[in-house]
Amino acid sequence: KNEVEQSPQNLTAQEGEFITINCSYSVGISALHWLQQHPGGGIVSLFMLSSGKKKHGRLIATINIQEKHSSLHITASHPRDSAVYICAVNYNNDMRFGAGTRLTVKP
Amino acid sequence: KAGVTQTPRYLIKTRGQQVTLSCSPISGHRSVSWYQQTPGQGLQFLFEYFSETQRNKGNFPGRFSGRQFSNSRSEMNVSTLELGDSALYLCASSSDRSNTEAFFGQGTRLTVV
Repeated sequence: KNEVEQSPQNLTAQEGEFITINCSYSVGISALHWLQQHPGGGIVSLFMLSSGKKKHGRLIATINIQEKHSSLHITASHPRDSAVYICAVNYNNDMRFGAGTRLTVKP
Repeated sequence: KAGVTQTPRYLIKTRGQQVTLSCSPISGHRSVSWYQQTPGQGLQFLFEYFSETQRNKGNFPGRFSGRQFSNSRSEMNVSTLELGDSALYLCASSSDRSNTEAFFGQGTRLTVV
């Protein structure tokens, strides 16, 4: 069983919709990351969280340490948000990754 | 500030050959980590270097090795290439070895034929 589980695997939304991607983990972590990967492979770090909530523009990330769960929310989604979103955790001095959520936002 | 630079971007090698990939971290960053991404296994941690020392290693065979230079640039080497080594290899740099934001390069796409 993967230490990091993401849901859903695939998500299609209409432009303007509110989107939520979930991440659950089963190990003790020191931090959790949300990453964005566009076609072509480059990865951008969106958030690093160890508690609470962070907001950058239309993106919001929350983490509940007790429940070992994090969510990434996108408000007013746009086609340019189409990408793979990956949850990753710092565990035992390395990083473990979820399988990713492929988001497609249609105009 | 320049980002993380990986070279080359694309590479085609033959089974049995060896390959060396390079990663130049963001200036001032001392930690460099390497990851392999394949469609079947997703992203997996290879190893991490901090101040020229390998601090952590993932679950990969000894054919995968790396090093870090005094200027924090890092190389990874894969010897005796196998078809299954075809993957996107990503490196990430950060200012410290734990709990700081990681910045990723664009990756090197290796195809083994």
